[in-house]
Amino acid sequence: AQSVTQLGSHVSVSEGALVLLRCNYSSSVPPYLFWYVQYPNQGLQLLLKYTSAATLVKGINGFEAEFKKSETSFHLTKPSAHMSDAAEYFCAVSDPGSSASKIIFGSGTRLSIRP
Amino acid sequence: EPEVTQTPSHQVTQMGQEVILRCVPISNHLYFYWYRQILGQKVEFLVSFYNNEISEKSEIFDDQFSVERPDGSNFTLKIRSTKLEDSAMYFCASSSFGEGNTEAFFGQGTRLTVV
Repeated sequence: AQSVTQLGSHVSVSEGALVLLRCNYSSSVPPYLFWYVQYPNQGLQLLLKYTSAATLVKGINGFEAEFKKSETSFHLTKPSAHMSDAAEYFCAVSDPGSSASKIIFGSGTRLSIRP
Repeated sequence: EPEVTQTPSHQVTQMGQEVILRCVPISNHLYFYWYRQILGQKVEFLVSFYNNEISEKSEIFDDQFSVERPDGSNFTLKIRSTKLEDSAMYFCASSSFGEGNTEAFFGQGTRLTVV
């Protein structure tokens, strides 16, 4: 069974500071990995995805994530936080070998940005 | 850009009543999903649907729930007799998972409030 664990339900950083949101996955097969963002009272928007190509994945809004197989991690980073980055971030995993594979979400990390 | 649309955006219903949540997936997608997010909690998989039948369902998706693709464009989730604990945001998603397509696209969600 696949799963993801997000360390830290709430992360607070100052505007302009580095953002680091942690995600570790568990999967018996090489996974597809995703980061989704959810702004208040809105739906889920894909930030970026890893699909077994480049291990460093760049997404929208200046975010990127690095797939590290040895650490079973897929942490999300952004060099300089902006106030508009305040949102809930979900790490997710799916099985690429299954054509109708469901996406399994982590419990989410709420990112707050201090002025 | 193609998108998944869900209606209504907010549904209030009395306990014990039946509700139908509607979704229009992206037109060339073949796989359809429902997820739910109870307020403040993680996004949970309910069911996946392919080729006019359920591919997989979670333990949440009990006999009170059903899905249907009635007319080739809509994808519905029916809750037969709503309970207070069914109050949540329900997300529809669709995917093609063909070559080059590796993620599900989510709608904006329907907020269901059972009173």
